[in-house]
Amino acid sequence: GAGVSQSPSNKVTEKGKDVELRCDPISGHTALYWYRQSLGQGLEFLIYFQGNSAPDKSGLPSDRFSAERTGGSVSTLTIQRTQQEDSAVYLCASSLSNGDTQYFGPGTRLTVL
Amino acid sequence: DQQVKQNSPSLSVQEGRISILNCDYTNSMFDYFLWYKKYPAEGPTFLISISSIKDKNEDGRFTVFLNKSAKHLSLHIVPSQPGDSAVYFCAASVMDSSYKLIFGSGTRLLVRP
Repeated sequence: GAGVSQSPSNKVTEKGKDVELRCDPISGHTALYWYRQSLGQGLEFLIYFQGNSAPDKSGLPSDRFSAERTGGSVSTLTIQRTQQEDSAVYLCASSLSNGDTQYFGPGTRLTVL
Repeated sequence: DQQVKQNSPSLSVQEGRISILNCDYTNSMFDYFLWYKKYPAEGPTFLISISSIKDKNEDGRFTVFLNKSAKHLSLHIVPSQPGDSAVYFCAASVMDSSYKLIFGSGTRLLVRP
């Protein structure tokens, strides 16, 4: 079956522009996570969605970052007024339910010039 | 403050020998630990996990050991194979929260033929 997919795979943008990153989780998975990996670093938690519950936004680094999950499936991570320090690989993961194994997508490499 | 640390950025071992990857954590609330493996341009792939009620979990060539008193876990791969060459991430979570994963910075394993 299909795994987690993310688009675009690469995104180059200019400082100050807004970007949207998309995640399609595995069908039937109720939990969805966003992480990012900066160069030479581990993965950093950003936000978590579980069913209809309020998302856990505790990892979002600033109010320029937001995410939504429509219909309990596809999620979009939006970064407004991008800065060079936003350059990273943004990874999405989904799990069948809270506490189950998280399966990761291939990531979106974001470069802010 | 890094809650999960992988102090060895790289490790090189001969094919057929044992690979030992180490991870330390500081947060005593962590009660679930995982290892993920990552190839270039791909998302992390789940490898093996262990809950804090156990001190060892084995799956084929992979064994994870947990020492709660030392806040230390390790991944043993035996025998090591060239296809095991990848970046290995240690991760930890608290089972009664959002299960967000806190990752270490990774160890790059090279298995020499």
